[in-house]
Amino acid sequence: GAGVSQSPSNKVTEKGKDVELRCDPISGHTALYWYRQSLGQGLEFLIYFQGNSAPDKSGLPSDRFSAERTGGSVSTLTIQRTQQEDSAVYLCASSLELGGEQYFGPGTRLTVT
Amino acid sequence: GENVEQHPSTLSVQEGDSAVIKCTYSDSASNYFPWYKQELGKRPQLIIDIRSNVGEKKDQRIAVTLNKTAKHFSLHITETQPEDSAVYFCAASFSGGYNKLIFGAGTRLAVHP
Repeated sequence: GAGVSQSPSNKVTEKGKDVELRCDPISGHTALYWYRQSLGQGLEFLIYFQGNSAPDKSGLPSDRFSAERTGGSVSTLTIQRTQQEDSAVYLCASSLELGGEQYFGPGTRLTVT
Repeated sequence: GENVEQHPSTLSVQEGDSAVIKCTYSDSASNYFPWYKQELGKRPQLIIDIRSNVGEKKDQRIAVTLNKTAKHFSLHITETQPEDSAVYFCAASFSGGYNKLIFGAGTRLAVHP
């Protein structure tokens, strides 16, 4: 079956612009997670959803970052007024239930110029 | 705070040798410890995981050990092959459950023929 998909695969934006990153989890997966991976670094947890609810937003780097999930499926990560330090690969993962094996998407490579 | 330390950051072995990667975590309530393999330009993929009620788990050439008292866990790869070359990430669950994974910084493993 289809895995986790993300779009766009690459995004180049100018500093100060807003961007939206999309994640389509595996069908039926109730939990969804967003991570950020800077070049050569580990995975930084940003936020997770259980259904449409995000109980823990503590990982979001600043108030410029927000995320939502609708219909228990697609999630959107929005970064407002992008900064150069936002440049990274943004990875989405989903799991059948909270705490289950996480399956990662291919990521969105964001470059802020 | 929530922290996972991973060592070494790079590891170079000859084909056929064993490789060991070690991680320590800060939260004694952590109870889920997965390991991910990330090949260059690809998404992380789960290779093995262990839960806190188990001390050791094996899957063919891969094994993971967990010492809850010392708060550390290790990945062991035996009879390494060139295709094992990748970046390996350990992770530990936080927030009292499986809700959030905190990842180590990664180990770049190179297996030389």
